[in-house]
Amino acid sequence: KQEVTQIPAALSVPEGENLVLNCSFTDSAIYNLQWFRQDPGKGLTSLLLIQSSQREQTSGRLNASLDKSSGRSTLYIAASQPGDSATYLCAVTHSGNTPLVFGKGTRLSVIA
Amino acid sequence: DAGITQSPRHKVTETGTPVTLRCHQTENHRYMYWYRQDPGHGLRLIHYSYGVKDTDKGEVSDGYSVSRSKTEDFLLTLESATSSQTSVYFCAISDGLALEQYFGPGTRLTVT
Repeated sequence: KQEVTQIPAALSVPEGENLVLNCSFTDSAIYNLQWFRQDPGKGLTSLLLIQSSQREQTSGRLNASLDKSSGRSTLYIAASQPGDSATYLCAVTHSGNTPLVFGKGTRLSVIA
Repeated sequence: DAGITQSPRHKVTETGTPVTLRCHQTENHRYMYWYRQDPGHGLRLIHYSYGVKDTDKGEVSDGYSVSRSKTEDFLLTLESATSSQTSVYFCAISDGLALEQYFGPGTRLTVT
C-alpha cells in the first residue's frame, strides 16, 4: 500500500528565506505527483503536477522536483512571503487508473 | 474554486439521522471525488465517480453511499450518521483519474 510522508509537520521561517518542503513515498512506481496548497478553512488548490517522466516543474517562485527512484519530491519556495503561509500537501497516484494518495501536509508559517 | 460548490457548508446533526451532502460542478469534468479530512489522518478518499451512475469505493467508504445521476452532481449520503463521521468533507473534480484535481470549499459536518 502506497504511503506518503511529509516531514516536518510544521515549519516556521522568516520572510525572504528560501525553503524546501519534503515529500516521500514508499512505492516508487508512481504515475505522477501533485503539490497542493490549503489555506485555513479552505479547500485545496493545485500548485504543480509532475509526471513520472519529468524531473521538475516550475511556477513562479515555486519549483517542484521529483526523484522517483528514491521515492522523494521537494517543493522549493524562493523568497518566501507571509502570503505563502498555508499547509502544503503532496499526493501521488500509482497509475492512470488509481486515485491520489495524500500526505498529511506541512504547515508553513512565514513570519514578517 | 474552479466552478465547484458544496452544500451545505456547515451542518450539525444528531447521531442516527441521515445526511446528504451535495457537490455541484460547472466544469463538465468526468471524475468527481468525496474526501474527508481529519486531524492526524490527513485527506482520505471516501468514494469517487468516473461517470454518470459509475462509482467506486475509496479508502474509507464504510458508512457512506454515493450517487451520480447527472454529470454535474455528486451526492454523498450518510445513512445513519455517527460521531466518528464528524469531519470536514471535500468534493473534488478532474478530467482524468491521474490528472489535476480541483477542490470545492468543503462542508463541515458535526454529528452530536
